[in-house]
Amino acid sequence: DTGVSQNPRHKITKRGQNVTFRCDPISEHNRLYWYRQTLGQGPEFLTYFQNEAQLEKSRLLSDRFSAERPKGSFSTLEIQRTEQGDSAMYLCAVHRGQAGELFFGEGSRLTVL
Amino acid sequence: EDQVTQSPEALRLQEGESSSLNCSYTVSGLRGLFWYRQDPGKGPEFLFTLYSAGEEKEKERLKATLTKKESFLHITAPKPEDSATYLCAMPEGGYQKVTFGIGTKLQVIP
Repeated sequence: DTGVSQNPRHKITKRGQNVTFRCDPISEHNRLYWYRQTLGQGPEFLTYFQNEAQLEKSRLLSDRFSAERPKGSFSTLEIQRTEQGDSAMYLCAVHRGQAGELFFGEGSRLTVL
Repeated sequence: EDQVTQSPEALRLQEGESSSLNCSYTVSGLRGLFWYRQDPGKGPEFLFTLYSAGEEKEKERLKATLTKKESFLHITAPKPEDSATYLCAMPEGGYQKVTFGIGTKLQVIP
């Protein structure tokens, strides 16, 4: 158990709908990350927060994507006007360790029909 | 640009048949190399960090080694429960994010 809870675990939606994923670390972590993983690929960096500040966004994060971490604890990732290409596993992770190791939640799988 | 390349993409072993997975990297100044295990439908599970060439880490049937250009994950006498995707990764940008390889999907057949 990495102490990172993600909800929902699986979301099926129709193209054009909005979806929101939530990530809850059990304990306080300064850095929180969102990654996306498609079938047969490794996780790809989307964005990360240092406390409540969003410090970096990947070019993968189009303007339909928005992430927040309002109080420096939990975080949300919203996708507006979903497209079939958004179908993927969305992973939340916290940063621990000397070399910046990441510890992941179980992920939220999005299927866009 | 820092890169992580894993091979093979898939590996099928008989139970008890030892083998190795490869992770080659290009980076200006290695700050660590990570190995993760990922089961289907789940998030990656952290296994090891290697910091410098020559270092080795072990956990049950797994042993990770590191040279100046690559890392190996050796699997000794694997069991079916070792079936998973193994991901190699490394930090970049001053530890601000982690870059992953595409993984090696290991299947161990009873």
